[in-house]
Amino acid sequence: DAEITQSPRHKITETGRQVTLACHQTWNHNNMFWYRQDLGHGLRLIHYSYGVQDTNKGEVSDGYSVSRSNTEDLPLTLESAASSQTSVYFCASSELGAAGDEQYFGPGTRLTVT
Amino acid sequence: GENVEQHPSTLSVQEGDSAVIKCTYSDSASNYFPWYKQELGKGPQLIIDIRSNVGEKKDQRIAVTLNKTAKHFSLHITETQPEDSAVYFCAATINDFGNEKLTFGTGTRLTIIP
Repeated sequence: DAEITQSPRHKITETGRQVTLACHQTWNHNNMFWYRQDLGHGLRLIHYSYGVQDTNKGEVSDGYSVSRSNTEDLPLTLESAASSQTSVYFCASSELGAAGDEQYFGPGTRLTVT
Repeated sequence: GENVEQHPSTLSVQEGDSAVIKCTYSDSASNYFPWYKQELGKGPQLIIDIRSNVGEKKDQRIAVTLNKTAKHFSLHITETQPEDSAVYFCAATINDFGNEKLTFGTGTRLTIIP
């Protein structure tokens, strides 16, 4: 069955370190998204991609970057981790655009920055 | 930018009773309104959605209503069961310089009391 996976599921890192969170989907979806989930804020969009070599900034993109070299993967990189980036991160994918199409979410990565 | 407000933040109902969660949005151009359910330790999952050309949609015990004039939409769950306990998120599309994205509400934690 097609799926979307994230790794690692849990990560503890120190302030200032570079961290990369992996996201892999086997639906062959063009669209992929990264969100962070924090209490009181719901899900906030970090970056998104509508195809290979396409990346766009979301509402909370500062301190994060993504690259899309193939259809299946959209890794999220924290260039220099900060305590404010402690959060649960979700990757999602969809077949069509964000408007009018179901987004399939991964199981999440819990990141703690100490 | 688009703002989606969701109320209440927590809701407890007796098993068998109905639950209603309400959301308002600010962008009159929004045209797609999904609802996601998130169980503990998992990613959100789409349960129902509605488009701007429809006022109501039902799927078994779940229904969503949309009032475009007032810019609000609601999730109705009837005959609630223990497995309905979860966090529910509403969302609305926004158009960001030609890219359509979803903006999520802050979530409602629904608890069904046996």
